[in-house]
Amino acid sequence: DGGITQSPKYLFRKEGQNVTLSCEQNLNHDAMYWYRQDPGQGLRLIYYSQIVNDFQKGDIAEGYSVSREKKESFPLTVTSAQKNPTAFYLCASSTQDRGVINEQFFGPGTRLTVL
Amino acid sequence: GEDVEQSLFLSVREGDSSVINCTYTDSSSTYLYWYKQEPGAGLQLLTYIFSNMDMKQDQRLTVLLNKKDKHLSLRIADTQTGDSAIYFCAEWLGTGGSYIPTFGRGTSLIVHP
Repeated sequence: DGGITQSPKYLFRKEGQNVTLSCEQNLNHDAMYWYRQDPGQGLRLIYYSQIVNDFQKGDIAEGYSVSREKKESFPLTVTSAQKNPTAFYLCASSTQDRGVINEQFFGPGTRLTVL
Repeated sequence: GEDVEQSLFLSVREGDSSVINCTYTDSSSTYLYWYKQEPGAGLQLLTYIFSNMDMKQDQRLTVLLNKKDKHLSLRIADTQTGDSAIYFCAEWLGTGGSYIPTFGRGTSLIVHP
């Protein structure tokens, strides 16, 4: 089955620790995205990547880092510099062509809680 | 800058119609999308509309598009308790050479018996 997976589903972290969230897709999509979701705030874009070995900051990149060494994988590291990391994190992938239907496929999300 | 705007909450009785509204930012957007998010899950594409259409119907769902006012709506007929979820409208915007999706803040639909 083609799809996008995130792991783990729940993650607990002590304050001051870095943590990496996994995102993998087998849809052969060029573009991948990380969003943060807080209650009442909708989706806020953290980072996105339109091609392997390249990525751009989104609206709230501070305190986060990413890599895109493989087309299938786009891990997100939440660093100790992120002041309010407790949130629901969603990864997505899509095609990138203009003028066509650009459906984003979302993973099931990772809920990160900082203790 | 401008945002994709949605009201945050909508409460309806089971069996009634629900109408979720959205205003978007770019009159040249080619496709406009509605996503559904159930509790604790990712988003799923519900339906979309091409910008040269003003209406699209898909079973219980009707999407209306007013390009002049940049207004998009999603109507759910005969709303069921299983329709309770958060609904996001989205458009794709070209900014600085990139082409990325922009979401509204989501409308929480609550369906009560």
